[in-house]
Formats: sequence, structure tokens, C-alpha cells
Amino acid sequence: QTVVTQEPSLTVSPGGTVTLTCASSTGAVTSGYYPNWFQQKPGQVPRALIYSTSKKHSWTPARFSGSLLGGKAALTLSGVQPEDEAEYYCLLYYGGAQPWVFGGGTKLTVL
Amino acid sequence: QVLLQQWGAGLLKPSETLSLTCAVYGGSFSGYYWSWIRQPPGKGLEWIGEINHSGSTNYNPSLKSRVTISVDTSKNQFSLKLSSVTAADTAVYYCARGPYYDILTGYGPAFDIWGQGTMVTVSS
Repeated sequence: QTVVTQEPSLTVSPGGTVTLTCASSTGAVTSGYYPNWFQQKPGQVPRALIYSTSKKHSWTPARFSGSLLGGKAALTLSGVQPEDEAEYYCLLYYGGAQPWVFGGGTKLTVL
Repeated sequence: QVLLQQWGAGLLKPSETLSLTCAVYGGSFSGYYWSWIRQPPGKGLEWIGEINHSGSTNYNPSLKSRVTISVDTSKNQFSLKLSSVTAADTAVYYCARGPYYDILTGYGPAFDIWGQGTMVTVSS
């Protein structure tokens, strides 16, 4: 059973920078895992932010960026805004019998 | 602008079959895979499976024995059936566009548009 691990919670000050990571139980995350990132606020539908490691959707704010960092997928928020407080999920591609696996999510608090 | 609208029964008894449908409005249906994703109350997201316009499917192995995803290209709709439900299947179920490759850039696969979600409760 493949497990994708994210930090359960992180706290950041307004205007600060924070990096969320996404690790795979199978080893280092590479571009071939095509990391996707989603934001979900309480009571709302998840919103897509990043695909293919670092590509942004047309609606993704510039302060969000995706990368690979130390064998993990990473989502960096620069100049954090209060409205960025949300749960963030990564999604990795494994192909074969278990194509897509979500991480457990990171609750980001802006304080 | 692409819109996904989903519907289906919200209250089921144990052992019944969950049935949801998602309609795609305002965009192309072919050229994409279409997914179902669920979220138990207070928990994270779980990918259930995907289908393309030709009916090619992939499923989460943990659900594969109980899941069927089908497509009706004449109506631009795709559907989810989950048999023998239990309380553990209680969740908000979402349909979503993806995975797909961006036609202009060639990058992907991506997920983007989501349906509004349907809360499905399994209770005797």
C-alpha cells in the first residue's frame, strides 16, 4: 500500500513564506510522479493549484509555486495572505494498479 | 466555461449500491479522463477512479472490486457505482476533470474542474 505523507499542520505569519512537502513511501518523488496540488477551505470544493510539479492553472495566484525539494514535491507560498489559510493536498501518479494517490493533507494556519 | 454538475442518492442503507452521475457542460468531453474522488467527514481526499470518453477505466485497487465507472458520451455524462456500501463509504463524493494533458503546452497530467460534491451517508 503506497502512502503519500504531508506535514499534518504548519503555521505561518502573514507576509511570510512557507513550504509544504509531499513524500512518497516508495522513495524520492520525481517529475514522473506529476505532482498536483489542491487547496481546500472549510466547506468548499477543492481547488486545483499546481500540476506537473510546477505548472500553474490560469487562476493560481503568483505567490504559489511548485517544485521538487530534497526528494519530495513541494508547494511554496511566498507573501502569505490571510485567505491562504486552508488545507492543502498533494496528489502523485504511480501508474499501474494504483494510478493516483492523495497525501493526507496539510492544515495551514496563517497567524 | 466548463461546469460539472453531479447528482445521486444521498442516503443509503448498508449493502445497497451507491449511484452518482456527473454531467459536463460547456466544454469538450473527449480528450480528457474524468475522475471520481471522495472525502469522508473530517478526513482527506481519496481518488476512486477514472474514465475517458472511450470507456477506458482505472480504479483505486482498494475499491476496485466494488466500483464501476461508466460513460455516456451522447449526454456528456459519466457515472459512479459503488456496491455493497458500508458506513465507511460515508463521504462527500466529487467528480472532477482529469487527468489530462494541456493541449497548448503539452504539460500534465492535470486535474482542474470539480463538481459541487454530493454528501452520501450510509446508515441503517
